Amino acid sequence: NAGVTQTPKFQVLKTGQSMTLQCAQDMNHEYMSWYRQDPGMGLRLIHYSVGAGITDQGEVPNGYNVSRSTTEDFPLRLLSAAPSQTSVYFCASSYSLGTVYEQYFGPGTRLTVT
Amino acid sequence: TQLLEQSPQFLSIQEGENLTVYCNSSSVFSSLQWYRQEPGEGPVLLVTVVTGGEVKKLKRLTFQFGDARKDSSLHITAAQTGDTGLYLCAGVKNAGNMLTFGGGTRLMVKP
Repeated sequence: NAGVTQTPKFQVLKTGQSMTLQCAQDMNHEYMSWYRQDPGMGLRLIHYSVGAGITDQGEVPNGYNVSRSTTEDFPLRLLSAAPSQTSVYFCASSYSLGTVYEQYFGPGTRLTVT
Repeated sequence: TQLLEQSPQFLSIQEGENLTVYCNSSSVFSSLQWYRQEPGEGPVLLVTVVTGGEVKKLKRLTFQFGDARKDSSLHITAAQTGDTGLYLCAGVKNAGNMLTFGGGTRLMVKP
């Protein structure tokens, strides 16, 4: 199993450009999430999905869109990149055991917006 | 202000020393997890604690969930250079909610 894969690993955008960060998992997990990680702030939830066709907003959703057409894929779209979106982005998949979510993270995408 | 506060933010120690990292909140969590993250990689789950007062051991790492389920600690005995990394705690408040992460403790173990 490849686990959770993310592409690209690095990306530089100019302000106003759009792009899609790709995320795929092969563990048949119901739940998938996108986080951003900034220095000293841990990981903050952007959007999440509890199954194909179902998505919801997390803590910091503004400027990002998601869709979940299949169980395996959960792309994150930046509509019009801003310097404040410079960050490291992590995708995660998980299964639920009641209130316990054991998350498996991808290797991350480091995004710089100039 | 973050829901989960970790302390210290940074810790630099010599190999062989013991250390404790804390994760505190004013909220009750139904479960709490600890992750370790190495540079350039995603976090990796170390442990999940569910019951108030629960203690779990993973080799030289001891994790404790507070009796009131508002706080947790990670104790490392005889630290090794391989323990170097960012340690993150994360909690779930209620069923159906997603994880909330603390700000992390960056640990450096020097040889």
